[in-house]
Amino acid sequence: AQSVTQLDSHVSVSEGTPVLLRCNYSSSYSPSLFWYVQHPNKGLQLLLKYTSAATLVKGINGFEAEFKKSETSFHLTKPSAHMSDAAEYFCVVSDPAGGYQKVTFGTGTKLQVIP
Amino acid sequence: DAGVIQSPRHEVTEMGQEVTLRCKPISGHDYLFWYRQTMMRGLELLIYFNNNVPIDDSGMPEDRFSAKMPNASFSTLKIQPSEPRDSAVYFCASSERGGSLNTGELFFGEGSRLTVL
Repeated sequence: AQSVTQLDSHVSVSEGTPVLLRCNYSSSYSPSLFWYVQHPNKGLQLLLKYTSAATLVKGINGFEAEFKKSETSFHLTKPSAHMSDAAEYFCVVSDPAGGYQKVTFGTGTKLQVIP
Repeated sequence: DAGVIQSPRHEVTEMGQEVTLRCKPISGHDYLFWYRQTMMRGLELLIYFNNNVPIDDSGMPEDRFSAKMPNASFSTLKIQPSEPRDSAVYFCASSERGGSLNTGELFFGEGSRLTVL
């Protein structure tokens, strides 16, 4: 079975401080993992993806995530938050299941950035 | 590349009316997904297609909802009759399974915001 757990529904940080959004997954296969960002009233945009290459993945806007198989985690981090980072973030797992690509979204984490 | 194109961007209708949402996936993509997003339930997968064939429609809430993909470049999601609880943002996304990395990355449209009065 495939699942994704985003451990925090809301995270609040001050501008200029680090960001940590947590994600744990389960998969019967070697999955691909993604983080998407959704700004208010917008569609979802890919931030970064892990596809069994380097375990530390760099994405857009200074975000990065580290794939840790032993911990089944794929946490999203950024060294210094910017006001424009305020958005909702979704962790996603994708793997072949029954010959089709099965995609499962986490429930999302809303990031608030305080000036 | 034009990306995934959805129409209409906004729709306001009255209860009981038929609503049709449209999606044009990225050319060459062989997967198409319909999602619904609400404050209460978050992002829900309604149905997805592979090569124009519906694979999993278990997320379609009721028989009032139907989706078609008559060809590789067009899909519709229809609600008939519509109800106020159908008010949500409906997203279409497409994906290319046969790509070099076979990663399952989804490309989303901007969404169709439906309000049923």
